[in-house]
Amino acid sequence: GDSVTQMEGPVTLSEEAFLTINCTYTATGYPSLFWYVQYPGEGLQLLLKATKADDKGSNKGFEATYRKETTSFHLEKGSVQVSDSAVYFCALSRSAGGTSYGKLTFGQGTILTVHP
Amino acid sequence: DGGITQSPKYLFRKEGQNVTLSCEQNLNHDAMYWYRQDPGQGLRLIYYSQIVNDFQKGDIAEGYSVSREKKESFPLTVTSAQKNPTAFYLCASRYRHGGQGTDTQYFGPGTRLTVL
Repeated sequence: GDSVTQMEGPVTLSEEAFLTINCTYTATGYPSLFWYVQYPGEGLQLLLKATKADDKGSNKGFEATYRKETTSFHLEKGSVQVSDSAVYFCALSRSAGGTSYGKLTFGQGTILTVHP
Repeated sequence: DGGITQSPKYLFRKEGQNVTLSCEQNLNHDAMYWYRQDPGQGLRLIYYSQIVNDFQKGDIAEGYSVSREKKESFPLTVTSAQKNPTAFYLCASRYRHGGQGTDTQYFGPGTRLTVL
Protein backbone atom coordinates (compact mmCIF):
# COMPACT_ATOMS: atom_id res chain seq x y z
CA GLY A 1 0.00 0.00 0.00
CA ASP A 2 0.88 3.66 -0.11
CA SER A 3 3.16 5.05 2.56
CA VAL A 4 5.03 8.23 3.44
CA THR A 5 8.14 8.39 5.59
CA GLN A 6 9.42 11.62 7.11
CA MET A 7 12.63 12.28 8.90
CA GLU A 8 12.21 11.90 12.62
CA GLY A 9 12.14 14.98 14.75
CA PRO A 10 12.08 17.07 16.61
CA VAL A 11 14.20 19.48 14.60
CA THR A 12 15.61 22.45 16.49
CA LEU A 13 17.22 25.35 14.62
CA SER A 14 18.37 28.87 15.25
CA GLU A 15 16.69 31.71 13.42
CA GLU A 16 18.03 32.22 9.86
CA ALA A 17 19.33 28.65 9.64
CA PHE A 18 18.71 26.45 6.60
CA LEU A 19 15.94 23.89 6.91
CA THR A 20 15.57 20.49 5.29
CA ILE A 21 12.89 17.99 6.23
CA ASN A 22 13.19 14.76 4.30
CA CYS A 23 10.18 12.95 2.89
CA THR A 24 10.09 9.78 0.81
CA TYR A 25 7.09 7.90 -0.43
CA THR A 26 5.93 4.54 -1.76
CA ALA A 27 3.03 4.51 -4.19
CA THR A 28 2.09 3.11 -7.54
CA GLY A 29 1.42 5.41 -10.43
CA TYR A 30 1.86 9.17 -10.19
CA PRO A 31 0.63 10.53 -6.89
CA SER A 32 0.24 14.18 -6.03
CA LEU A 33 2.50 15.26 -3.17
CA PHE A 34 1.79 17.79 -0.43
CA TRP A 35 3.32 19.54 2.54
CA TYR A 36 0.91 20.64 5.24
CA VAL A 37 1.78 22.72 8.32
CA GLN A 38 0.05 22.56 11.70
CA TYR A 39 0.50 25.32 14.28
CA PRO A 40 -0.19 24.47 17.93
CA GLY A 41 -3.83 23.70 18.60
CA GLU A 42 -4.90 24.29 15.01
CA GLY A 43 -5.89 22.32 11.93
CA LEU A 44 -3.67 21.64 8.95
CA GLN A 45 -2.88 24.30 6.38
CA LEU A 46 -1.71 23.48 2.89
CA LEU A 47 1.84 24.77 2.52
CA LEU A 48 2.66 23.62 -1.00
CA LYS A 49 1.99 20.86 -3.49
CA ALA A 50 3.30 19.24 -6.67
CA THR A 51 1.31 17.09 -9.03
CA LYS A 52 3.90 15.62 -11.42
CA ALA A 53 7.55 14.68 -11.61
CA ASP A 54 10.06 17.57 -11.51
CA ASP A 55 7.38 20.04 -10.42
CA LYS A 56 8.52 22.44 -7.71
CA GLY A 57 5.99 23.63 -5.16
CA SER A 58 6.77 26.85 -3.31
CA ASN A 59 5.11 29.11 -0.76
CA LYS A 60 6.26 31.52 1.97
CA GLY A 61 9.92 30.78 1.21
CA PHE A 62 9.45 27.01 1.45
CA GLU A 63 10.18 24.79 -1.54
CA ALA A 64 9.91 21.11 -2.43
CA THR A 65 10.63 19.31 -5.70
CA TYR A 66 8.85 16.16 -6.82
CA ARG A 67 11.64 13.65 -7.54
CA LYS A 68 10.21 10.49 -9.02
CA GLU A 69 13.58 8.82 -9.50
CA THR A 70 14.26 8.98 -5.76
CA THR A 71 10.56 8.97 -4.70
CA SER A 72 11.22 12.04 -2.57
CA PHE A 73 9.65 15.41 -1.81
CA HIS A 74 12.02 17.10 0.64
CA LEU A 75 10.97 20.40 2.19
CA GLU A 76 13.53 23.23 2.28
CA LYS A 77 13.71 26.82 3.42
CA GLY A 78 16.78 29.00 3.18
CA SER A 79 16.27 31.04 6.34
CA VAL A 80 13.80 29.98 9.01
CA GLN A 81 12.02 32.30 11.40
CA VAL A 82 10.65 31.75 14.90
CA SER A 83 7.16 31.92 13.39
CA ASP A 84 7.94 28.78 11.33
CA SER A 85 7.84 26.68 14.49
CA ALA A 86 5.14 24.08 13.85
CA VAL A 87 4.55 20.47 12.86
CA TYR A 88 5.09 19.67 9.18
CA PHE A 89 3.36 16.79 7.44
CA CYS A 90 4.23 15.26 4.11
CA ALA A 91 1.35 13.54 2.32
CA LEU A 92 0.39 11.92 -0.94
CA SER A 93 -2.85 11.52 -2.83
CA ARG A 94 -3.16 8.86 -5.48
CA SER A 95 -5.95 9.08 -7.97
CA ALA A 96 -7.46 5.82 -9.09
CA GLY A 97 -9.39 6.87 -12.13
CA GLY A 98 -13.10 7.27 -11.70
CA THR A 99 -13.12 5.60 -8.31
CA SER A 100 -10.68 7.99 -6.69
CA TYR A 101 -11.85 9.32 -3.38
CA GLY A 102 -8.79 11.45 -2.90
CA LYS A 103 -7.49 9.71 0.19
CA LEU A 104 -4.47 11.43 1.73
CA THR A 105 -1.73 9.24 3.14
CA PHE A 106 0.33 11.13 5.74
CA GLY A 107 3.76 10.84 7.20
CA GLN A 108 4.04 10.94 10.97
CA GLY A 109 4.90 14.63 11.09
CA THR A 110 8.10 16.49 12.01
CA ILE A 111 8.15 19.00 14.85
CA LEU A 112 10.20 22.08 14.04
CA THR A 113 11.28 24.51 16.75
CA VAL A 114 13.12 27.69 15.80
CA HIS A 115 14.92 29.66 18.51
CA PRO A 116 15.73 33.39 18.30
CA ASP B 1 -15.21 34.18 3.96
CA GLY B 2 -15.30 30.64 2.71
CA GLY B 3 -13.99 27.91 4.92
CA ILE B 4 -14.52 24.91 7.12
CA THR B 5 -15.81 25.24 10.66
CA GLN B 6 -15.72 22.62 13.38
CA SER B 7 -17.44 22.79 16.72
CA PRO B 8 -16.91 22.61 19.54
CA LYS B 9 -13.18 23.30 19.80
CA TYR B 10 -12.93 21.26 23.02
CA LEU B 11 -15.26 18.46 24.05
CA PHE B 12 -15.31 16.35 27.18
CA ARG B 13 -17.17 13.09 27.37
CA LYS B 14 -17.83 10.56 30.07
CA GLU B 15 -17.22 6.93 29.28
CA GLY B 16 -20.28 5.28 27.77
CA GLN B 17 -21.64 8.45 26.17
CA ASN B 18 -22.04 9.16 22.49
CA VAL B 19 -20.92 12.58 21.26
CA THR B 20 -21.33 14.32 17.90
CA LEU B 21 -18.71 16.57 16.35
CA SER B 22 -19.88 19.17 13.88
CA CYS B 23 -18.25 19.98 10.53
CA GLU B 24 -19.64 22.61 8.15
CA GLN B 25 -18.17 23.99 4.93
CA ASN B 26 -19.27 26.80 2.62
CA LEU B 27 -16.72 26.08 -0.10
CA ASN B 28 -19.22 24.20 -2.26
CA HIS B 29 -16.95 21.16 -2.01
CA ASP B 30 -18.36 17.79 -2.92
CA ALA B 31 -16.19 15.48 -0.84
CA MET B 32 -15.71 15.59 2.91
CA TYR B 33 -13.48 13.61 5.25
CA TRP B 34 -12.91 12.91 8.93
CA TYR B 35 -9.43 12.21 10.29
CA ARG B 36 -8.15 11.33 13.71
CA GLN B 37 -4.80 12.61 14.99
CA ASP B 38 -2.96 11.11 17.95
CA PRO B 39 0.21 12.57 19.49
CA GLY B 40 3.31 11.88 17.43
CA GLN B 41 1.34 10.26 14.64
CA GLY B 42 0.07 11.27 11.28
CA LEU B 43 -3.59 11.53 10.46
CA ARG B 44 -5.74 8.46 9.96
CA LEU B 45 -8.92 8.42 7.89
CA ILE B 46 -12.15 7.57 9.72
CA TYR B 47 -14.90 8.15 7.13
CA TYR B 48 -15.32 9.98 3.87
CA SER B 49 -18.21 11.11 1.70
CA GLN B 50 -18.01 12.00 -1.97
CA ILE B 51 -21.62 13.11 -2.45
CA VAL B 52 -24.72 13.78 -0.40
CA ASN B 53 -26.39 10.70 1.09
CA ASP B 54 -23.32 8.55 0.47
CA PHE B 55 -20.36 7.80 2.72
CA GLN B 56 -17.70 5.11 3.08
CA LYS B 57 -15.55 3.71 5.86
CA GLY B 58 -11.94 4.73 6.02
CA ASP B 59 -9.09 2.93 7.75
CA ILE B 60 -10.33 3.21 11.35
CA ALA B 61 -14.15 3.44 11.19
CA GLU B 62 -14.97 1.11 14.10
CA GLY B 63 -16.78 2.96 16.89
CA TYR B 64 -17.68 5.93 14.69
CA SER B 65 -20.69 6.88 12.56
CA VAL B 66 -21.44 9.70 10.13
CA SER B 67 -24.25 11.16 8.04
CA ARG B 68 -24.31 13.36 4.94
CA GLU B 69 -27.77 14.78 4.55
CA LYS B 70 -26.57 18.14 3.22
CA LYS B 71 -23.65 19.03 1.00
CA GLU B 72 -22.38 21.53 3.58
CA SER B 73 -22.47 19.27 6.62
CA PHE B 74 -20.72 16.05 7.65
CA PRO B 75 -21.17 15.35 11.40
CA LEU B 76 -19.19 12.62 13.13
CA THR B 77 -20.58 10.65 16.06
CA VAL B 78 -18.11 9.01 18.42
CA THR B 79 -19.99 6.13 19.97
CA SER B 80 -19.43 4.30 23.24
CA ALA B 81 -18.05 1.42 21.17
CA GLN B 82 -14.91 3.44 20.37
CA LYS B 83 -12.43 2.09 22.89
CA ASN B 84 -9.95 4.94 22.90
CA PRO B 85 -11.69 8.09 21.66
CA THR B 86 -9.44 10.72 23.21
CA ALA B 87 -7.81 12.43 20.22
CA PHE B 88 -7.80 15.48 17.97
CA TYR B 89 -10.40 15.19 15.19
CA LEU B 90 -10.01 17.00 11.89
CA CYS B 91 -12.55 17.50 9.14
CA ALA B 92 -11.52 18.21 5.56
CA SER B 93 -13.18 18.85 2.23
CA ARG B 94 -12.25 18.69 -1.44
CA TYR B 95 -13.69 19.84 -4.73
CA ARG B 96 -14.14 16.72 -6.83
CA HIS B 97 -14.75 17.88 -10.34
CA GLY B 98 -12.58 19.78 -12.75
CA GLY B 99 -8.86 20.08 -13.35
CA GLN B 100 -6.09 21.42 -11.17
CA GLY B 101 -6.66 21.56 -7.45
CA THR B 102 -9.20 18.81 -7.17
CA ASP B 103 -6.76 16.56 -5.31
CA THR B 104 -6.23 19.14 -2.55
CA GLN B 105 -7.99 18.76 0.77
CA TYR B 106 -8.63 21.75 3.00
CA PHE B 107 -8.89 21.31 6.74
CA GLY B 108 -10.96 22.74 9.54
CA PRO B 109 -9.49 23.91 12.88
CA GLY B 110 -10.20 20.61 14.66
CA THR B 111 -12.02 19.40 17.77
CA ARG B 112 -10.11 18.02 20.74
CA LEU B 113 -12.11 15.25 22.41
CA THR B 114 -11.21 14.07 25.90
CA VAL B 115 -12.86 11.14 27.62
CA LEU B 116 -13.00 11.56 31.38
